[in-house]
Amino acid sequence: DVKVTQSSRYLVKRTGEKVFLECVQDMDHENMFWYRQDPGLGLRLIYFSYDVKMKEKGDIPEGYSVSREKKERFSLILESASTNQTSMYLCASRSLRGHGYTFGSGTRLTVV
Amino acid sequence: GEDVEQSLFLSVREGDSSVINCTYTDSSSTYLYWYKQEPGAGLQLLTYIFSNMDMKQDQRLTVLLNKKDKHLSLRIADTQTGDSAIYFCAEGPMNTGFQKLVFGTGTRLLVSP
Repeated sequence: DVKVTQSSRYLVKRTGEKVFLECVQDMDHENMFWYRQDPGLGLRLIYFSYDVKMKEKGDIPEGYSVSREKKERFSLILESASTNQTSMYLCASRSLRGHGYTFGSGTRLTVV
Repeated sequence: GEDVEQSLFLSVREGDSSVINCTYTDSSSTYLYWYKQEPGAGLQLLTYIFSNMDMKQDQRLTVLLNKKDKHLSLRIADTQTGDSAIYFCAEGPMNTGFQKLVFGTGTRLLVSP
């Protein structure tokens, strides 16, 4: 089975800290995505990547950046964490030949 | 732009059927998906339907697509307490090459004994 692993289930960070959320997939998927999930707002796309070294802004990229130096790893970076970035963050990947996305278990980030 | 809408809550009794509805706006959508999210977990793909189909059945799950009205529904027969979760519908184009899905806000299904 395809596996998408997010390094932390829960994180608590202070306002102003630089935060790294890591996502690794083990099935050579080309596309990778970062979403945040908030009650009543569903999933909102932050950044995505067609393939290694490539990245594109999603619908809400402000305050975030990403890195994809290796095909299996897609990192989300909060440059200076703020309380309004408290959320559940979901990583997903997709093969060019597959259907839909495979999601990780999520990282619940709290910024205090 | 594309938009996908769902009602926020649905409550049913164990053993009843559940029907979760979704409407979408993108007329070029080719694939429509249903995902399930259990508490504290990521999203799990349940089923999908191609836009040239009207219906797809998979064990207790039945997906109905009304392309004219851009309406998608997921029926769960004999709903169990383990079906309590958030259900997301999503739409997207042909799945070759890059595929960006648009997700609805999710419907929280609560199944009571």
